[in-house]
Amino acid sequence: EDQVTQSPEALRLQEGESSSLNCSYTVSGLRGLFWYRQDPGKGPEFLFTLYSAGEEKEKERLKATLTKKESFLHITAPKPEDSATYLCAVQAGNYGGSQGNLIFGKGTKLSVKP
Amino acid sequence: KAGVTQTPRYLIKTRGQQVTLSCSPISGHRSVSWYQQTPGQGLQFLFEYFSETQRNKGNFPGRFSGRQFSNSRSEMNVSTLELGDSALYLCASSLGLAEDTQYFGPGTRLTVL
Repeated sequence: EDQVTQSPEALRLQEGESSSLNCSYTVSGLRGLFWYRQDPGKGPEFLFTLYSAGEEKEKERLKATLTKKESFLHITAPKPEDSATYLCAVQAGNYGGSQGNLIFGKGTKLSVKP
Repeated sequence: KAGVTQTPRYLIKTRGQQVTLSCSPISGHRSVSWYQQTPGQGLQFLFEYFSETQRNKGNFPGRFSGRQFSNSRSEMNVSTLELGDSALYLCASSLGLAEDTQYFGPGTRLTVL
């Protein structure tokens, strides 16, 4: 069964304290791994897409990496405005030509204190 | 470029009623997917429409249905509402190719009393 697990469930950091969020997955044929950020009461905001092991992408203080079994979202010198829930999702490869559904993890709730 | 829009943003219904939610995708996007988000289950896939056809469906009862119009706008309907249907319903659009990124709307918060 396709599955996505994120850890930790919650993470509290001081401003400037770097850390990493983990997303481990078990899917039959990974087509893509996606990171989203979600603020309370809002829809997920797209951050990154990774397609193959070894791929890395960066945006401001965030960097996403991908291996064959997991992905990491590294946050460097976070600021209070980085506080949000970070969601990881995978798209498995068993849907023929269709978009297929995204399988989401439960998310990591990040709080950054000034 | 305008993002994904969803209406209404908030809804309060009572058990047994039915509800229709609307989603307008990003211009040029032909695929629309619907998700249900609850605190306990997280984000769960409902269904996906592409060119007015349902292309994929999640594990939800038949009370949940949807459709897509020729302009790619989509609606989802929930009949005979239950308390457990209270959730944030999210719509996401994409170009429709298999690995395309899905962009989400702000969601419709449905409360069933």
